[in-house]
Amino acid sequence: GNSVTQMEGPVTLSEEAFLTINCTYTATGYPSLFWYVQYPGEGLQLLLKATKADDKGSNKGFEATYRKETTSFHLEKGSVQVSDSAVYFCALSDRSGNDMRFGAGTRLTVKP
Amino acid sequence: EAGVTQFPSHSVIEKGQTVTLRCDPISGHDNLYWYRRVMGKEIKFLLHFVKESKQDESGMPNNRFLAERTGGTYSTLKVQPAELEDSGVYFCASQTSVDSPLHFGNGTRLTVT
Repeated sequence: GNSVTQMEGPVTLSEEAFLTINCTYTATGYPSLFWYVQYPGEGLQLLLKATKADDKGSNKGFEATYRKETTSFHLEKGSVQVSDSAVYFCALSDRSGNDMRFGAGTRLTVKP
Repeated sequence: EAGVTQFPSHSVIEKGQTVTLRCDPISGHDNLYWYRRVMGKEIKFLLHFVKESKQDESGMPNNRFLAERTGGTYSTLKVQPAELEDSGVYFCASQTSVDSPLHFGNGTRLTVT
């Protein structure tokens, strides 16, 4: 079945550092790929998504490219801020919420 | 528009007790999902409602869990009797159609002692 594996945390970075959170997936079809973010005390929010191979999702300075050849969807940001401290979840879905598969989450802490 | 709201935000109960979690989806969202994150592991699907009907409950761990969505509006998830391994964060999400974005609530953190 479909599954997602993301790098384990926690990740601690200094402000303005470069961020990469790795995510790889296993899927039988051609799923859509997502990154969700959970800020402290809040629910999951969609950060970005990509629906087909070679698509790049981007939002708030974060980017991820749907790489079919490496089955990856790594999250990157060139310069993190303290306000980016949160838990990041990689996810995939064939179509709807009942086949959504999430990674274990990566906690990011950015220090000033 | 108001987002998905969940109540309570935290619940601490003893093993063997009963707890009921509530989710109010965004108005007009026919699709409602429950998910659970246990012990910092991945978020797992529990079940899916379309209006008041259970579309898919394949993720429900056992018969101690009962979900309802009377009237197709808010939903409740009851755990009876609660066990230690039920501790975790329970998320609710809603969407207008299966192709539209999922909107998540803040989650209910359940601790069973």
